[in-house]
This record gives sequence, structure tokens and C-alpha cells, in this order.
Amino acid sequence: DIQMTQSPSSLSASVGDRVTITCRASQAISSYLNWYQQKPGKAPKFLIYAASSLQSGAPSRFSGGGSGTEFTLTISSLQPEDFATYYCQQSYGVPLTFGGGTRVEIK
Amino acid sequence: QVQLVESGGGLVKPGGSLRLSCAASGFIFSDYYMTWIRQAPGKGLEWVSYISSGSFYPKYADSVQGRFTISRDNAENTLHLQMNDLRAEDTAVYYCARQIITATKVGANYFDPWGPGTLVTVSS
Repeated sequence: DIQMTQSPSSLSASVGDRVTITCRASQAISSYLNWYQQKPGKAPKFLIYAASSLQSGAPSRFSGGGSGTEFTLTISSLQPEDFATYYCQQSYGVPLTFGGGTRVEIK
Repeated sequence: QVQLVESGGGLVKPGGSLRLSCAASGFIFSDYYMTWIRQAPGKGLEWVSYISSGSFYPKYADSVQGRFTISRDNAENTLHLQMNDLRAEDTAVYYCARQIITATKVGANYFDPWGPGTLVTVSS
């Protein structure tokens, strides 16, 4: 199985901050990496696919990068509605696996 | 608009069975793979199972293999998850999601949208 490791597991940041979350795969997964945002009590929402392609309608302050085993999700200027938990997910192999999540909290 | 709505969750005793359903609307259901994903209380996301558009390629997580069966009714635009021999560790919110796979872009295989989820509690 491909293990996905996110870091940090949580972070505190202020509105306007630049935030970067890292996701590492236990083996190379090319660009088969997706990002989701989840707010408390809600279903996850799809944000980015194929490592760097932004979902249509998602704010341009979100960006993704990386390939192989190391990936990043960056929020260029944190907004109040961005406080949530973010998950990476690999779709390179079965079982499809998620990272443990990164909780972004208000400082 | 594209919508997914799960149903069938509830409280069940260990060893019991439950059948979840996911009603789809707003898209051509038979064109897409569909997936079940679960989230235990306060925990992260765990992929459970997916099924191809024509029901040919069901896949399962090891944790549910042999106990859960995914199926779909393309005429009724409905996805199902039959869960047998339920255990306490199966307690979770179960989400269905449309799985989008695009051959024109490397890496394009993702879940969108997700339903609101249905809670399954396995307890005596």
C-alpha cells in the first residue's frame, strides 16, 4: 500500500499569511495526487487534482505542486473561510489512500 | 446540479448487516466510476470501495474485503454498499463520491462531488 504522510498535522496562522502543507508518498506516484478541504461537520470538497490543477471555481490563492513523492498545497493569502482540515490523496494505486490531514487554525 | 445523497445509516449490533444507498442526480450516472469513503469519528478519511461504470471492476480496502459488497443500479441512478459482519471499527460517516477519471491528463483521477454522508454506528 502507498502511505501518504502530511506535515504538519496542524498549524496556526493569521488571515493574510502564506501557508504551505506538505504531502509525501511512500513511493513515486507521478502526478496522481489530489487535495481536499473539509470543514467541521461537512463532507470534503475537492480542490486540486493531478498535483497542480485547480478545480474550476476554487479560489486562485490555492495552488498545488510537486511530483513523484513530494507534493505541496499552498494558500497564498489565508482567508477566514480557509480555516479547515486539508487532506491529500493518491490515486496511483489501489488501495486509494489519504494523508492524515492538516488542520489549519486561526492564530 | 450534480447531487449525491446517502441513506441507510443507523445503529447496528456487532455482527449485523446494513445496506447503504446513494442516490445520484444531475449527471449521467452510468458514465462514471463511483466510490465509498468513510470517516471514523474525529479521524481521517479512509477509502472503502469503488466500482466501475459498468460494474466490472469493484475494488475494496483490505479492512472490508469479504464483508462489504459494492453495487450499482444504473437504471435507478443508485449506488449501494452492502455491509455484513459489522464491527465496532466500522463505525463512521460513510460518504459516496463520484470518481472522475480523465485520460487526457496524467494524474486526473479524483472524487467530486461528495454526498453529505450517512452515519453508521456499530455498538451493542
